Amino acid sequence: IAGITQAPTSQILAAGRRMTLRCTQDMRHNAMYWYRQDLGLGLRLIHYSNTAGTTGKGEVPDGYSVSRANTDDFPLTLASAVPSQTSVYFCASSELLTEYGYTFGSGTRLTVV
Amino acid sequence: GQNIDQPTEMTATEGAIVQINCTYQTSGFNGLFWYQQHAGEAPTFLSYNVLDGLEEKGRFSSFLSRSKGYSYLLLKELQMKDSASYLCAVLDSNYQLIWGAGTKLIIKP
Repeated sequence: IAGITQAPTSQILAAGRRMTLRCTQDMRHNAMYWYRQDLGLGLRLIHYSNTAGTTGKGEVPDGYSVSRANTDDFPLTLASAVPSQTSVYFCASSELLTEYGYTFGSGTRLTVV
Repeated sequence: GQNIDQPTEMTATEGAIVQINCTYQTSGFNGLFWYQQHAGEAPTFLSYNVLDGLEEKGRFSSFLSRSKGYSYLLLKELQMKDSASYLCAVLDSNYQLIWGAGTKLIIKP
């Protein structure tokens, strides 16, 4: 592992099903983030975690939950998927208060049908 | 509310220079980032400005004016591989990144 690993790369999911998107980093960054990216809307923050054991809500948290049991892992769960959750999901990490920005995973393309 | 504006799309010619503008209105300011994102890929870090002025990094330069809420990314000697979306993002008073929708740059031969 080098950087951030997301899984799966892509998924087609039936509406109403539960789904967990996985995110693992090996940089020992304190902060981790989940974004969704939709055409014309840019990156929107779903949830974030400034350190292991803590999480916070971003701009569009409804329908999603996260946990941060340790420094490396930050899974995102869709409890009951809906078509409006069709999007590309990016996990990112950073040191807090950094001028080096965020490191992004390669993304998960999710289609809810 | 918080708002970041940048043009939706720009076209430029290989070998030329292009300037991508970004204006912002945010609750507090702790720095401005530019990211590059090729189609189907993750964003990658280009630059960070927190003080007024120009930061040069090879073919890419980024400028910031905090009093005007304005930044630009300048790309020189354009190459076909520079075809990508360029995202402007501001770190607000809570140290959260606020993102613009991105500017799609099309490079023509």
